[in-house]
Amino acid sequence: DSGVTQTPKHLITATGQRVTLRCSPRSGDLSVYWYQQSLDQGLQFLIQYYNGEERAKGNILERFSAQQFPDLHSELNLSSLELGDSALYFCASSVEGRFSGNTIYFGEGSWLTVV
Amino acid sequence: GESVGLHLPTLSVQEGDNSIINCAYSNSASDYFIWYKQESGKGPQFIIDIRSNMDKRQGQRVTVLLNKTVKHLSLQIAATQPGDSAVYFCAENSQAGTALIFGKGTTLSVSS
Repeated sequence: DSGVTQTPKHLITATGQRVTLRCSPRSGDLSVYWYQQSLDQGLQFLIQYYNGEERAKGNILERFSAQQFPDLHSELNLSSLELGDSALYFCASSVEGRFSGNTIYFGEGSWLTVV
Repeated sequence: GESVGLHLPTLSVQEGDNSIINCAYSNSASDYFIWYKQESGKGPQFIIDIRSNMDKRQGQRVTVLLNKTVKHLSLQIAATQPGDSAVYFCAENSQAGTALIFGKGTTLSVSS
């Protein structure tokens, strides 16, 4: 158990809908990262927050947004869903804003299926 | 596109063999590299990392080699066990202090 909690674990929704994925980082971790994993694209970095503020942005679509709340949990909002958005969405957390491989921990992911 | 990629999508080995998983990267500015292991239904788990001022680093049964001249990274697993069966990703730090860029992964299958 990495200490990073993601909900829901599985989600099935229709095209055009909106969903929210939630992530609770490890206790004490200030950084939250979101990644999308699909079969043909591997792990794609979406966005990073550090202590409530956006720190870095990757290949995140305009239909997607995220935020980190004062209690440090984070939500990833996916709207106007398309079939191609079906993927496993991972949240990871670390103490620092600067990335260090052995101090980042991944949750078990949220499986999103768009039908 | 991806700046990090893997040479082979799958690797099948016998239990007890040594495994070598390769990775090529294209960003000369990358200075930090990590190997992750992802088992089915789980998130990626840290295996070993290496910084660009090193060319080799050893862990427990694993060794990472970095060749900056040809921008190549490899993960060697000694005495591979069935429990090593998983997808292995290499990742690089694309900008100082920000998130990692992952390759697409190599599936390691270990048979008894």
